[in-house]
Amino acid sequence: EAGVVQSPRYKIIEKKQPVAFWCNPISGHNTLYWYRQNLGQGPELLIRYENEEAVDDSQLPKDRFSAERLKGVDSTLKIQPAELGDSAVYLCASSLEASGGYEQYFGPGTRLTVT
Amino acid sequence: GEDVEQSLFLSVREGDSSVINCTYTDSSSTYLYWYKQEPGAGLQLLTYIFSNMDMKQDQRLTVLLNKKDKHLSLRIADTQTGDSAIYFCAEIRGTGRRALTFGSGTRLQVQP
Repeated sequence: EAGVVQSPRYKIIEKKQPVAFWCNPISGHNTLYWYRQNLGQGPELLIRYENEEAVDDSQLPKDRFSAERLKGVDSTLKIQPAELGDSAVYLCASSLEASGGYEQYFGPGTRLTVT
Repeated sequence: GEDVEQSLFLSVREGDSSVINCTYTDSSSTYLYWYKQEPGAGLQLLTYIFSNMDMKQDQRLTVLLNKKDKHLSLRIADTQTGDSAIYFCAEIRGTGRRALTFGSGTRLQVQP
């Protein structure tokens, strides 16, 4: 079974430019998460989707970040415009609600560098 | 991750046991987790324990939970060089919210 797929793996952009990250969760997993991991720290939740509905976006900086999961499968996270402080690893995870949703599986992440 | 604390670094010799410790503050934690992160990789779910349990064993891994002291530990028996990685403790609070709250990670270095 394929795991969580993310692309791109690495992205370098100049500040004020837009950037987008893509995630394909494990097949059948209806819950999808975006986390951000700063250097030397653990991941922190940005947004959680149940199917296509964003059910927890309290930590998403909505002035510059947006996310969508139109058909309840793939998801895209966008930053516009990017700032130097956005440099981090952006991790996508998924879980299966039917089994309690307690096992979250992570993708390899996208490492963003803003110069 | 300020509500979940871990020591930063642990060094052991190959073949020894490793014990990685974690403390958390929220008494409503329902599930507690250990994830492993190797350089340049995502997080690998190692094991997790429900808060009404005090121990869980899975091959070389033993998780101990002291709910009274809010202390979680991960013991790796017969530690190998391939176990070198960063280990994250994480929790889920309550039953409705599914977001993991992570510690800052413990870097385990295994010396041959």
